[in-house]
Amino acid sequence: RKEVEQDPGPFNVPEGATVAFNCTYSNSASQSFFWYRQDCRKEPKLLMSVYSSGNEDGRFTAQLNRASQYISLLIRDSKLSDSATYLCVVNRNKLVFGAGTILRVKS
Amino acid sequence: ETGVTQSPTHLIKTRGQQVTLRCSSQSGHNTVSWYQQALGQGPQFIFQYYREEENGRGNFPPRFSGLQFPNYSSELNVNALELDDSALYLCASSLALQGGRNEQFFGPGTRLTVL
Repeated sequence: RKEVEQDPGPFNVPEGATVAFNCTYSNSASQSFFWYRQDCRKEPKLLMSVYSSGNEDGRFTAQLNRASQYISLLIRDSKLSDSATYLCVVNRNKLVFGAGTILRVKS
Repeated sequence: ETGVTQSPTHLIKTRGQQVTLRCSSQSGHNTVSWYQQALGQGPQFIFQYYREEENGRGNFPPRFSGLQFPNYSSELNVNALELDDSALYLCASSLALQGGRNEQFFGPGTRLTVL
């Protein structure tokens, strides 16, 4: 079993849709949590950190449930430019990445 | 841009050869981490260097080795290349802070193909 599990997708959604990604992690010693975005053949870029209290950045909302070892990302009002792979990441003195969830937003 | 640079951008080698990949970290950062990303997978942690010392290693064999220099730039060396070493190699620089909440900034990667 992988330490960080994500649904690979792809999620195909129309512009303006709301889409949610989920992620589970197995190591309770994980210290901090992130969502990264990776465009095709490019490097990963930090989208946002994830906190237990939940945090929002514009159209993006991230949530962490430490008891269930579960992380989520909600994207509202999807744009064509949101098409990418979204990587769930936990930090245990090293970054541990999930395999990513592919999002395709279509007009 | 993150200010992290990697060279070369692309590289083709044959099985059994050796390769050296290079990374220049963002100004002010003292930590460099290396990752291997195979097609369709997330990046996998290879190792991390902090102030020229290895500071953590993932599940990679000893033929993967590294260096960090006084200016905090870094090299990844891979000996006896195998076909499965074909991947995107990413380096990420960060400033080590207490609490572990130190953001890592990725370079554009080196795409290695082993034939």
